[in-house]
Amino acid sequence: QKEVEQNSGPLSVPEGAIASLNCTYSDRGSQSFFWYRQYSGKSPELIMSIYSNGDQEDGRFTAQLNKASQYVSLLIRDSQPSDSATYLCAVSPTTSGTYKYIFGTGTRLKVLA
Amino acid sequence: DAGITQSPRHKVTETGTPVTLRCHQTENHRYMYWYRQDPGHGLRLIHYSYGVKDTDKGEVSDGYSVSRSKTEDFLLTLESATSSQTSVYFCAISDPGQASYEQYFGPGTRLTVT
Repeated sequence: QKEVEQNSGPLSVPEGAIASLNCTYSDRGSQSFFWYRQYSGKSPELIMSIYSNGDQEDGRFTAQLNKASQYVSLLIRDSQPSDSATYLCAVSPTTSGTYKYIFGTGTRLKVLA
Repeated sequence: DAGITQSPRHKVTETGTPVTLRCHQTENHRYMYWYRQDPGHGLRLIHYSYGVKDTDKGEVSDGYSVSRSKTEDFLLTLESATSSQTSVYFCAISDPGQASYEQYFGPGTRLTVT
């Protein structure tokens, strides 16, 4: 069973701090990795994509990928109360020419004002 | 929501009745997906489509069927709704052929089966 694991949280950080969210995956054939933000009662919103080892930065968000360790992380710098949401990690194995995505159950982030 | 709409947005139905949920996209993306989201389980794939009339099962397909007669529309049918199918249903799209593997979600449908 191909899995994506996340700590459910809640992860509480003070406003202005760095929030670090982590995700591990089991399928070594995975090639595409994504972070989604989901506010309560809303649909998942794509915030970061990463396809190769290293860091990918977009504004206050940095995604980090380590394929050898099968580990993906998301850093949120200068966290704001508006960042309080559930963050979903998704992995696409892209094997056999199919494009399916496996999601973790999400980490709930609370940014304290 | 990347040009994706879902209808209805909310529905309450009785056990044993058929229900059809509709996903409509204006992005001309090849792949379309139906997920359900439940507390403690995250997003689980029900069915997906990789082209008109081309569909395949996901991990929780029992009790569900799908159809795709046009690129823009993907229908999810619960033939005989059960209380275990009470959930939030999300449609998503992607277009790997354009070298973009990103997946975008619709606004969701909240279904309650009483």
